[in-house]
Amino acid sequence: DSGVTQTPKHLITATGQRVTLRCSPRSGDLSVYWYQQSLDQGLQFLIQYYNGEERAKGNILERFSAQQFPDLHSELNLSSLELGDSALYFCASSVAGGELFFGEGSRLTVL
Amino acid sequence: GIQVEQSPPDLILQEGANSTLRCNFSDSVNNLQWFHQNPWGQLINLFYIPSGTKQNGRLSATTVATERYSLLYISSSQTTDSGVYFCAVEHPLRGNNDMRFGAGTRLTVKP
Repeated sequence: DSGVTQTPKHLITATGQRVTLRCSPRSGDLSVYWYQQSLDQGLQFLIQYYNGEERAKGNILERFSAQQFPDLHSELNLSSLELGDSALYFCASSVAGGELFFGEGSRLTVL
Repeated sequence: GIQVEQSPPDLILQEGANSTLRCNFSDSVNNLQWFHQNPWGQLINLFYIPSGTKQNGRLSATTVATERYSLLYISSSQTTDSGVYFCAVEHPLRGNNDMRFGAGTRLTVKP
């Protein structure tokens, strides 16, 4: 158990819908990262937050947004979903750089 | 951006065999981690090893930062070692622990 908690573990929805994925980092970790893993793209960095502030942005689509709340949990919002958004979405946390620890992921299926 | 190449892409072993997985990166890094993604999709930390050598049971890793590569050794492989092994690196100029992943090595250990 990495200490990073993600919900839900599985999610099935339809094209055009919006979903929210939630992540609770390890106790004491200030940084939260979101990654997308799809079959043809590998593990892609989406976005990072540090203590509530956006710190780095990767290949995150405009239809996707994220935030980190004062209690340090984070949410990734995916809207206007397309078939190609089907993927495993991982959250990771670290103290402030250094070793990353990943949650178990949220598997999103868009039908 | 920094390029991360892992080899071999696929590896099939008989139980009990040893193996070496390689990770080459195109620029200097200040953070390197090895992960194992098991068949259930979980990403498990193996080593945080920006330089030097570490050992953990049957696994060990060596990173030669000046020559831009890292090696993961698996000895006396077991069927539970099956899965995908990822190397991830952080470029120092990017900071913010934006870890970039290689495409992985898929290991299958046969009984």
